[in-house]
Amino acid sequence: EVQLLESGGGLVQPGGSLRLSCAASGFTFSSYAMSWVRQAPGKGLEWVSAISGSGGSTYYADSVKGRFTISRDNSKNTLYLQMNSLRAEDTAVYYCAKALWSGYQNDAFDIWGQGTMVTVSS
Amino acid sequence: EIVMTQSPATLSVSPGERATLSCRASQSVSSNLAWYQQKPGQAPRLLIYGASTRATGIPARFSGSGSGTEFTLTISSLQSEDFAVYYCQQYNNWPLTFGPGTKVDIK
Repeated sequence: EVQLLESGGGLVQPGGSLRLSCAASGFTFSSYAMSWVRQAPGKGLEWVSAISGSGGSTYYADSVKGRFTISRDNSKNTLYLQMNSLRAEDTAVYYCAKALWSGYQNDAFDIWGQGTMVTVSS
Repeated sequence: EIVMTQSPATLSVSPGERATLSCRASQSVSSNLAWYQQKPGQAPRLLIYGASTRATGIPARFSGSGSGTEFTLTISSLQSEDFAVYYCQQYNNWPLTFGPGTKVDIK
């Protein structure tokens, strides 16, 4: 079964850091681009960042550029999001999502994790 | 950045009726448009990609149409499990962007 499982969320103070992980199973992880998508409480979906299957190309939303870093370890089938200089407006459920087609970086998302909650508050 | 808009914000429909949801892009996204369904407390689920292709396991009552800047998701006969929020997403250009969503609720 194709599955994504996020972890690493929690409560952090403004200006703090957090690293999210997403463990993938059931598919050839290195063949697919992956993204992080977030959803603030009661709000819509916001794409945050994407990374190619090899990890050689990365993309960011302007709202997180320079503060967040996406990476992956294909030997561990795991996606990461390092979040620094966190702000209250970063409070959200963070989902990892798999690109629909192998080799495509900008794509629809056919598999989503269950999400991990990040709360930025003093 | 391509801005996605959706209308209406809320659609009240009776079970068994047809629902038509609209999505508009601020510039052409060709057919690189997806639709997702999200229920409370759940992750989004892919319904449609390529503007009109149903994802695996999606019932035939869901259909998508359009290209360029105007898109439509139609649910031909609403079932109880279809009451949810629906989002469109363009993946033609970076940054990838979502519409604000249409909530389909029970009339």
